[in-house]
Amino acid sequence: GQSLEQPSEVTAVEGAIVQINCTYQTSGFYGLSWYQQHDGGAPTFLSYNGLDGLEETGRFSSFLSRSDSYGYLLLQELQMKDSASYFCAVKGAGNMLTFGGGTRLMVKP
Amino acid sequence: ETGVTQSPTHLIKTRGQQVTLRCSSQSGHNTVSWYQQALGQGPQFIFQYYREEENGRGNFPPRFSGLQFPNYSSELNVNALELDDSALYLCASSIGQLSYNEQFFGPGTRLTVL
Repeated sequence: GQSLEQPSEVTAVEGAIVQINCTYQTSGFYGLSWYQQHDGGAPTFLSYNGLDGLEETGRFSSFLSRSDSYGYLLLQELQMKDSASYFCAVKGAGNMLTFGGGTRLMVKP
Repeated sequence: ETGVTQSPTHLIKTRGQQVTLRCSSQSGHNTVSWYQQALGQGPQFIFQYYREEENGRGNFPPRFSGLQFPNYSSELNVNALELDDSALYLCASSIGQLSYNEQFFGPGTRLTVL
């Protein structure tokens, strides 16, 4: 089976940096993705790591260590609009994309 | 280029009924995946269709079934509805059978089973 663990809630202030961790157990591994979902909205793709290392996209960066079955999403220069739920997702065997339970990020002024 | 659309937006059904949800893929995308998202949880993979064939299935009973049409739009059918089927149903389209990367999600259909 596949399972992902991520913190349920994180709070940070505007302008700060926050890191959301994700550990996973999966049969077959084809990459770790991150999605953002605002309340009442659809998930939107943020980043993908297929290989170990850091991927940077603007204020967001994502890291993967396959040997540790671990990744994180780093959000810099936090803005109020970054308040949302963030999901890590693993592509495993059978074309199945498994999502974590989500981390609710609250950005305070 | 139009994004992923889903219909209806909201739906109320009673236990035991059947429901059909619809999804139109983003232009040029030939793969559609369906997810169930309960309140406060992450999306749960139901199944994926690639070029009209089921291409992967999650841990959902056979009363959850689907179709993909030649224009790559898709339907999700749920028979014998149960109270626990109340959730947001999301479809996502992507390019290619081995969709490692970005999936584009529709706004979802909120299903309430009474």
